[in-house]
Amino acid sequence: GAVVSQHPSRVICKSGTSVKIECRSLDFQATTMFWYRQFPKKSLMLMATSNEGSKATYEQGVEKDKFLINHASLTLSTLTVTSAHPEDSSFYICSAPGQVNYGYTFGSGTRLTVV
Amino acid sequence: DAKTTQPPSMDCAEGRAANLPCNHSTISGNEYVYWYRQIHSQGPQYIIHGLKNNETNEMASLIITEDRKSSTLILPHATLRDTAVYYCIVNPGSNYQLIWGAGTKLIIKP
Repeated sequence: GAVVSQHPSRVICKSGTSVKIECRSLDFQATTMFWYRQFPKKSLMLMATSNEGSKATYEQGVEKDKFLINHASLTLSTLTVTSAHPEDSSFYICSAPGQVNYGYTFGSGTRLTVV
Repeated sequence: DAKTTQPPSMDCAEGRAANLPCNHSTISGNEYVYWYRQIHSQGPQYIIHGLKNNETNEMASLIITEDRKSSTLILPHATLRDTAVYYCIVNPGSNYQLIWGAGTKLIIKP
């Protein structure tokens, strides 16, 4: 079945640095990728939608200059958290639509800790 | 806002059937009922989906009421590994963003 590979699974970075998270669709082409963040014991919150070859669409309240999304190919979408702060610490998850009406395939998530 | 309502938590004994309810009284005619689960610190996992008819796969069964205003996910023989948060979502299909409610935290007890 459809697989989305997300890396890294865990990352610790210092305040002020940038972190890149990659999501690759391994056996299908993902023209769209959804990026979520999830705080402890909370549900997933959509941050942005990336589309291959065009600019990402950000949800209200999400800073596009802070969370840079690139979808340069049909199999790779990246999220870069720039100038990270401790409040950016969260669980980030990517997701791509699967086969028609089959559902969505999710990456395994990235636990970001900013110290 | 999510269009579904689920109980916040449920317990089930290992080996028993786990029945997870979901209310979606405002579901539209073109919206499917999807179920996902999220095991702690992992990405969500697709379980099953349906439109009108009941569905069954290797993981679970989905029972949708005739008026489509509610559904029940059934895990026929729950194991400890089924402990997770289960999300019921209504959605027209692929390429539409999913709107996540709070889900049901299912705890399987030995």
